[in-house]
Amino acid sequence: EPEVTQTPSHQVTQMGQEVILRCVPISNHLYFYWYRQILGQKVEFLVSFYNNEISEKSEIFDDQFSVERPDGSNFTLKIRSTKLEDSAMYFCASLGLASFLYNEQFFGPGTRLTVL
Amino acid sequence: DQQVKQNSPSLSVQEGRISILNCDYTNSMFDYFLWYKKYPAEGPTFLISISSIKDKNEDGRFTVFLNKSAKHLSLHIVPSQPGDSAVYFCAASVRGSQGNLIFGKGTKLSVKP
Repeated sequence: EPEVTQTPSHQVTQMGQEVILRCVPISNHLYFYWYRQILGQKVEFLVSFYNNEISEKSEIFDDQFSVERPDGSNFTLKIRSTKLEDSAMYFCASLGLASFLYNEQFFGPGTRLTVL
Repeated sequence: DQQVKQNSPSLSVQEGRISILNCDYTNSMFDYFLWYKKYPAEGPTFLISISSIKDKNEDGRFTVFLNKSAKHLSLHIVPSQPGDSAVYFCAASVRGSQGNLIFGKGTKLSVKP
C-alpha cells in the first residue's frame, strides 16, 4: 500500500539554525500539506501546496518557513532560523484526486523537531 | 480559538462494548468531517468521513453521526476491540479552503480486554 514517508524521524537542532524536513508524498497525489503538533496540543495546519505553489498558509507559517518541491517527488519544509517554540511533531500529508472529494489526506509518520 | 472541540481527553471501554467519541464544532462553513486514528510514533490514519449533506455514514464497525443543528458529530465503534486503543482526532474541512483540515485535540481511547 502506498504511503507518505518522512525523514528524519527525529531532528535536534540549536536555536537559530536552519532545518529542512523532508517528505515523499504518495506518487500520484497532487495536493501536499504540512501540519504540526506541539506536545499536548492539537494538530495545526501550516501550509498547502498545489501545482508548484502555495495554495494557502496559516498564521503560523511566517517568513521563517518555506516549502519546496524540488524534484517532483520530494516535498520539503524549511525553517530558516529555528526558535524554541518550533519544537513539535511535523506531519506531511498528501491528497490525490481519487480521495479529493472526501478530503482523505494521507499522513506521514512525522518528524519530531527538538530545538535546544 | 477552538473551531473543533473534543471535550473528552480520554475514554475507557470494555472490549465488545460500544465506544462513543464526541466532537463539536463552531464553524458553519465546514462541509466535510473526518475521523483519524493515531497510534504512538505514527501519523494520523484516516478512518471515516461524512459530508455535511448526510447525517450518517457507516463502514464496518465504525459509524459517524452528524447533527448539523447541534453542530455535533460522534463516532461509534461497535464492538470495540483492544486494537482500537489509540488517539482519535475529529477534523473538519472548510468549503473552498483547498482541503486544509482543522483538528480537535483528540480523545485517547483505551479498550480493555
